[in-house]
Amino acid sequence: GENVEQHPSTLSVQEGDSAVIKCTYSDSASNYFPWYKQELGKGPQLIIDIRSNVGEKKDQRIAVTLNKTAKHFSLHITETQPEDSAVYFCAATTLMNNAGKSTFGDGTTLTVKP
Amino acid sequence: GAVVSQHPSRVICKSGTSVKIECRSLDFQATTMFWYRQFPKQSLMLMATSNEGSKATYEQGVEKDKFLINHASLTLSTLTVTSAHPEDSSFYICSAVGRVQPQHFGDGTRLSIL
Repeated sequence: GENVEQHPSTLSVQEGDSAVIKCTYSDSASNYFPWYKQELGKGPQLIIDIRSNVGEKKDQRIAVTLNKTAKHFSLHITETQPEDSAVYFCAATTLMNNAGKSTFGDGTTLTVKP
Repeated sequence: GAVVSQHPSRVICKSGTSVKIECRSLDFQATTMFWYRQFPKQSLMLMATSNEGSKATYEQGVEKDKFLINHASLTLSTLTVTSAHPEDSSFYICSAVGRVQPQHFGDGTRLSIL
């Protein structure tokens, strides 16, 4: 089955700095890679996703890059703000007709210091 | 955007009680719904996959008679924890996927069994 590794497990940055979280996956059939933000006591919220036919996607301060050959993908947050503090999860999915199980990384606790 | 509603958000009950958790997709039809369990400071653990019109598929080690799943319609799935015991206390999260909508999560249910 799929195995997803996520690093680092904790990340502390100063407000305004950039934050980068990296994930690797093992199954070359995985073709969809979402990132989720989970705040305390809430469910994960989809913040950005990328499909395997794209190498990079950006949405304002958030970007995701994908290297299919190396089987790794990364989340980049620029100009971090205290409200970005949360747990972030990456996932790898083999989608068929928009359906498929996701395998999640273990999460990264991001703390943005004001 | 797509919204998934999960109720109740918090349940506290005595050992031996059965508890039902509802998951609804509010503005799209969910072809697949997932149920997860999350322990403190850990990732999401998939319990079962529920497709509309068919029986749920349970992950290895998850007791189907203990965790009853019903995907009643394209917008509603329920998880019933039968004869709950303290070891069933956890954070349970559902998610839904539509024909074109990616996976979106509910806000979770904190279950505490006394």
